[in-house]
Amino acid sequence: GNSVTQMEGPVTLSEEAFLTINCTYTATGYPSLFWYVQYPGEGLQLLLKATKADDKGSNKGFEATYRKETTSFHLEKGSVQVSDSAVYFCALSQGAQKLVFGQGTRLTINP
Amino acid sequence: GAGVSQSPSNKVTEKGKDVELRCDPISGHTALYWYRQSLGQGLEFLIYFQGNSAPDKSGLPSDRFSAERTGGSVSTLTIQRTQQEDSAVYLCASSPRTGDGTQYFGPGTRLTVL
Repeated sequence: GNSVTQMEGPVTLSEEAFLTINCTYTATGYPSLFWYVQYPGEGLQLLLKATKADDKGSNKGFEATYRKETTSFHLEKGSVQVSDSAVYFCALSQGAQKLVFGQGTRLTINP
Repeated sequence: GAGVSQSPSNKVTEKGKDVELRCDPISGHTALYWYRQSLGQGLEFLIYFQGNSAPDKSGLPSDRFSAERTGGSVSTLTIQRTQQEDSAVYLCASSPRTGDGTQYFGPGTRLTVL
C-alpha cells in the first residue's frame, strides 16, 4: 500500500537557519503530494502541494519539489522564523481518496 | 466562507459509554473524511464518504466505531462502549468532488476516556 516516511524529529534550529525536512513516499501511479502544518493549539492547515512530477509547491517562504525519480518531496525554507515552530506532516493522496500521512516532524525555532 | 466545523471541541467520558462526534463540512464539498490523531499512532484514516457512494470504512479500528452522513452534508462519528485507547483527537476534513485531493480540516474533537 501507499506510505510516507518523514525525517524523524524533533528538529531544533536557530532563527534564520536553513531548514530541510525530508519526505519520501511509496505509491503506485502518480499521487498528489502535500505538506500540512499544525501550529500549537491549532488544526491542520495545508502549507503547500504539488500534483505532478517536477511541480514545485510554495507558500510562506517554504518550497517542496515533486521528484518522481527519487520519490521525494522534501520541505525547505531558506531562513526560518520563531513563528515557524510547529509540527509538519508530509502526505499523499491518489484522486479524492484518503490522505496517507507521515509521522510528523516537530520543529522548534529558537530566537 | 465558513470552514469545516466540529463539535464538541472537547469530550470527556467514562469507559464503556457511547459518544457522538459531529462534523459540518464546507458547503458544497461532496467528500468527507474522518481521521484520528493520537500520540502513538500519528494521523490515521478512519472513514471516507463521497457523495451517494458507499463509504470507505477500511480504516475503522473496530466494530465499535461507525459513522453516517445525512443528506450528503453533516456527519456523525459514533464510538460505542468507549475504551481508554480511544482517547485521541478526531479530525474531520472535506474536499470538493473535482480537485487535486486537497482536504480542508476542522479543528478537531479531543476525546478523553477515563
